[in-house]
Formats: sequence, C-alpha cells, structure tokens
Amino acid sequence: EADIYQTPRYLVIGTGKKITLECSQTMGHDKMYWYQQDPGMELHLIHYSYGVNSTEKGDLSSESTVSRIRTEHFPLTLESARPSHTSQYLCASNLGQNTEAFFGQGTRLTVV
Amino acid sequence: RKEVEQDPGPFNVPEGATVAFNCTYSNSASQSFFWYRQDCRKEPKLLMSVYSSGNEDGRFTAQLNRASQYISLLIRDSKLSDSATYLCVVNMQSRGSTLGRLYFGRGTQLTVWP
Repeated sequence: EADIYQTPRYLVIGTGKKITLECSQTMGHDKMYWYQQDPGMELHLIHYSYGVNSTEKGDLSSESTVSRIRTEHFPLTLESARPSHTSQYLCASNLGQNTEAFFGQGTRLTVV
Repeated sequence: RKEVEQDPGPFNVPEGATVAFNCTYSNSASQSFFWYRQDCRKEPKLLMSVYSSGNEDGRFTAQLNRASQYISLLIRDSKLSDSATYLCVVNMQSRGSTLGRLYFGRGTQLTVWP
C-alpha cells in the first residue's frame, strides 16, 4: 500500500466557504500532483510541485491554490467554494524522473 | 494535440477474449511509461511499467515502440474483474521546462461480460 493520505475523504460544504484539502506522503517523494476528476471523466492536472517551495499550475485552470512548505505535505486551498468546484480531487506523488506515481484515495467535494 | 492519446473505447468483450489498448505520445525523448488501472470511483493504481524490451505480467503484456512513439497493453483471457478504465501514462518534459512530469491519457474503458 502507498503511504499517501488525503483528508477529508468526503466534504459537503456551503458556497463561499474557504476549504483546504490535505495531502501527505511519508515516502520522501519530491514530486507531488493534484488532479481533478468528475465521475466517468478523465483526470485533469491542476497543480504540481517538483519539491519544497516549488509549485506549478497544471493543464486545467483552477481557482485553487497550493503550497509546498514541507516535502511531505501539499495542501490545496479554495478561498471561496462554489458549486462548480464539486468534483473528486486526487493527490499523487512520485520520487524521480522515471518512477511511477502513487495516488491517495481522493477527496469527494460537494459544494451546495 | 494532446501529449498522450489513447483509443477512445469503450471496449465491451466477453470473458476469455483478448483485448489490446494502444497509446501514442508526443515527445520522442520521453523516458518512462506506465499503464494504470482505475476502478469506478477509486483512485488509479499502477498496473505495470512498460520497458523498452516489452514485458509481461501473467495475462498482461506491455510493448513499447520508440520509433513510432507508441505503447500498447494486451490482456489475454479476459476476466470479469478486468472491467475498469486503463490509463496510459508517460513521463516527459513539461512545456517550457527541462523538468519532467507525468502525463495521463484520458483512459479507455473496458467492460468484460459473462
């Protein structure tokens, strides 16, 4: 089993609230990723990081922000949640150039 | 053009059938290749890495053709439990950077029926 954890697993929250989705890995991986995926649809990369203090925007524009202050931690924040943010958010990490990625179990976000 | 392109699917096959998925990638300098499996409402999990010489794991065979920038996955003797979405993944340089990152295909859905 991969040592990458996401919390919460499920979140239902009202419009306008600020939320932070947590992602932590204990494998010492330098690269971390956030993906957004709607049911039955493809994965969309929204943020990634090559290491501490490195963050990049992904392929899909997102109103969320990320930070990477510690190697093991890559939280994603939405300052003001909207119903259009309803989706599954998946965090992943990998070690180096040619290694596979491990995924967390995901956070299912519903904004009402 | 997307960096990683996959067969659109869906594939619906009977148990025992052999099914093949294909994937092309855009960057000839790409170094690592993977097939992932994603079950409904679950996270993707590594099925197998793809090596230059091709590799086999039980009923699954992966092939890489660098000249054509093409990878494939062959599943023999399909089982009901093989029903899932199969994702092609390539590690290549990101746009405007010398650093690499993972690019996922959109996935091919497989349904194996009894």
